[in-house]
Amino acid sequence: KQEVTQIPAALSVPEGENLVLNCSFTDSAIYNLQWFRQDPGKGLTSLLLIQSSQREQTSGRLNASLDKSSGRSTLYIAASQPGDSATYLCAVAVNDYKLSFGAGTTVTVRA
Amino acid sequence: EAGVAQSPRYKIIEKRQSVAFWCNPISGHATLYWYQQILGQGPKLLIQFQNNGVVDDSQLPKDRFSAERLKGVDSTLKIQPAKLEDSAVYLCASSGRVGAETPLHFGNGTRLTVT
Repeated sequence: KQEVTQIPAALSVPEGENLVLNCSFTDSAIYNLQWFRQDPGKGLTSLLLIQSSQREQTSGRLNASLDKSSGRSTLYIAASQPGDSATYLCAVAVNDYKLSFGAGTTVTVRA
Repeated sequence: EAGVAQSPRYKIIEKRQSVAFWCNPISGHATLYWYQQILGQGPKLLIQFQNNGVVDDSQLPKDRFSAERLKGVDSTLKIQPAKLEDSAVYLCASSGRVGAETPLHFGNGTRLTVT
């Protein structure tokens, strides 16, 4: 059974600092890995998707890396802003349709 | 395009009562998912539909949970009878087709409190 862990559970940084969010998974046989953002009282929004054959994916200030052999992914958010405050969830595709989610890291960016 | 619609937003019931949640996916999306998100945890897949057929319901507690998707559009998730541990946010998501690389579009969820 695939286990996805995100540490830390919560993070608080001053505005402008770079954010580093970690995700680890137990089974390296994955289809892909996705990062989602969840705002309070809202559903999830997909941020980045990394295919199992890729090492990283970038979108604007966001960059996600994937190391399948070590079972790790890292989401970098450059020059954080208060609007980046949210919970960030990592999800691993264990087959061609099923996602296994981590519990998330709640980020607070202080103005 | 209109997003995934869910109702109600909030529901409070007593244990052993029944409750139903409704989801309307994005128009044209054949695949529909119901997830359960307990406070402090990531979402857990309960059931996946492809059109009106069930693809995966392996984590659905079938003794108390049921779901249907009539005509391959709207879906209803029911809990009967509810237990305290069913308190969670129930998220509906849809996608254009089956496939892990296909973006999922989530609704805002229904927050259920069982007292």
